[in-house]
Amino acid sequence: GNSVTQMEGPVTLSEEAFLTINCTYTATGYPSLFWYVQYPGEGLQLLLKATKADDKGSNKGFEATYRKETTSFHLEKGSVQVSDSAVYFCALIPLQGAQKLVFGQGTRLTINP
Amino acid sequence: DSGVTQTPKHLITATGQRVTLRCSPRSGDLSVYWYQQSLDQGLQFLIQYYNGEERAKGNILERFSAQQFPDLHSELNLSSLELGDSALYFCASSVGLSTYSYEQYFGPGTRLTVT
Repeated sequence: GNSVTQMEGPVTLSEEAFLTINCTYTATGYPSLFWYVQYPGEGLQLLLKATKADDKGSNKGFEATYRKETTSFHLEKGSVQVSDSAVYFCALIPLQGAQKLVFGQGTRLTINP
Repeated sequence: DSGVTQTPKHLITATGQRVTLRCSPRSGDLSVYWYQQSLDQGLQFLIQYYNGEERAKGNILERFSAQQFPDLHSELNLSSLELGDSALYFCASSVGLSTYSYEQYFGPGTRLTVT
């Protein structure tokens, strides 16, 4: 079946540190891949996406590259800010079948000033 | 603001009761999805509607049902509530069904507490 595995949290960093949140997936074929972010008390916001191998999604300084060889979609940011504190979800939509998002368990990120 | 609205924001009810959660999709979106977020299960897909028709079902209990109306708003009905149904319920919408319209936009959620 389809599944997404994220690195365990919580993750705590200092402001301006480099961020990596690991995400690997299991799916038939080549799914579309997404990162969503959930700020405290809010719904999920689409952060970035990639639809085919070697695509790089980017937004607000965050980047993730679709790697089919390693079935990964790691989230990176070069210099985090306190305002990046949130829960980050990696997700996929399978190539075939229902267009349902399959989510990882989420990684809580806290940035200290 | 994603353009997806959900009401109510919070709901507190007792075991055995029935509640209805409402969702209005973004203007122009024909697909509506319901997801449940709980501490033990994470984010789980429940059900999808497209232009009034059920399209896909996920881990939705038989006590739960949904529908999408002609004006495209959707309702999720939860009955015979149990303590374990306490969760955040999200609605999401997307333009349609084709490969190029799969981006889903989420509402702020309804927090259900069953006591």
